[in-house]
Amino acid sequence: GNSVTQMEGPVTLSEEAFLTINCTYTATGYPSLFWYVQYPGEGLQLLLKATKADDKGSNKGFEATYRKETTSFHLEKGSVQVSDSAVYFCALSDRSQGAQKLVFGQGTRLTINP
Amino acid sequence: EAQVTQNPRYLITVTGKKLTVTCSQNMNHEYMSWYRQDPGLGLRQIYYSMNVEVTDKGDVPEGYKVSRKEKRNFPLILESPSPNQTSLYFCASSTRALSGWQYFGPGTRLTVT
Repeated sequence: GNSVTQMEGPVTLSEEAFLTINCTYTATGYPSLFWYVQYPGEGLQLLLKATKADDKGSNKGFEATYRKETTSFHLEKGSVQVSDSAVYFCALSDRSQGAQKLVFGQGTRLTINP
Repeated sequence: EAQVTQNPRYLITVTGKKLTVTCSQNMNHEYMSWYRQDPGLGLRQIYYSMNVEVTDKGDVPEGYKVSRKEKRNFPLILESPSPNQTSLYFCASSTRALSGWQYFGPGTRLTVT
């Protein structure tokens, strides 16, 4: 079946550090890939997405590239801020199983210290 | 403002006492879904609905029921809650065109003692 694996957390960085959160997936068909973010006490929000191989999603300084050859969708940001502290979820949506079904990774808690 | 609302936000109950968590969206979305979030497990889908009167099981449906009588509402029913249903629950909605981009509610934290 489809699955998503994220790097173990929690991750703690200093402000302005470079961020990478690894995400790899296993899927049948041709999935779309997503990063969702959950700020404390809130629901999940879509951060960025990519729908086909080699697409790059970007938003709020975050980027992720859909790598079919390595089945990866790593999240990166060049200079993190305290306001980026949140839990980040990688997810996939497999159109062959109905485009609306999302499969999530376990989440990575990110803390940025000033 | 486009949003998904859930009520209640927090609930503490006892084993076996039936409860309903409501979910409503104002975006005319066809697709709605319920997830539970547990530490180390991410979000797992409980039930989903592709449209009015069309519902189907997700990955962890045991112990839950849903109904979709109106497009905007998708309540989650626990007829006999048990402690292993203590969790954080999220409702989400979407359209077919968004293809995986789902709008999430703020969450309902349920504790069953």
